Amino acid sequence: AQKVTQAQTEISVVEKEDVTLDCVYETRDTTYYLFWYKQPPSGELVFLIRRNSFDEQNEISGRYSWNFQKSTSSFNFTITASQVVDSAVYFCALSVMGTSYGKLTFGQGTILTVHP
Amino acid sequence: GAGVSQSPRYKVTKRGQDVALRCDPISGHVSLYWYRQALGQGPEFLTYFNYEAQQDKSGLPNDRFSAERPEGSISTLTIQRTEQRDSAMYRCASSLTSGSYSNQPQHFGDGTRLSIL
Repeated sequence: AQKVTQAQTEISVVEKEDVTLDCVYETRDTTYYLFWYKQPPSGELVFLIRRNSFDEQNEISGRYSWNFQKSTSSFNFTITASQVVDSAVYFCALSVMGTSYGKLTFGQGTILTVHP
Repeated sequence: GAGVSQSPRYKVTKRGQDVALRCDPISGHVSLYWYRQALGQGPEFLTYFNYEAQQDKSGLPNDRFSAERPEGSISTLTIQRTEQRDSAMYRCASSLTSGSYSNQPQHFGDGTRLSIL
């Protein structure tokens, strides 16, 4: 079975601070995908990134960066110079290849509040 | 609006009534998923369709829950004889492809907030 753990329930920062959201996953499959989704106060779920298990290169997209480390089964998300608009719930998710047809297993989410 | 569309946005009903939740996926998306999200939790998988075929319904809590996608596009999730514990946000997602060979990103609708009185 798959499991995703986001140990940080809530994080509060002041604007312009950097913040890292942790994600640890468990799976016995060797081929899998990891995702991050953002859920702003308006409630929709917005796709941010997908990484596969064979690609451990870190990725940067503007103020967002992701650090994937298979050795520690972690896929952490860093926001640089945070802004109030980054306030949201962030979910890490995992899907495996094979018979599970891409269904996502989500973590419990991390509530990020960025204060002006 | 080219995103996943769900209706109704809100549904309030009395215990014991049947409800039907609708999902219209992104045009051309082969795969469709239903999830349920309780307050303060991440979404939990309910069921999955590839075209019109229901490939996995392992997440449906019991036999009061059913889903269909008869023409491979719009899907309906039906809950019969609703109970208070069914209250949650029900989310639909679609992806271009899925399965053993490609886990394309799933794009979510805004959800249906279901409240059972």
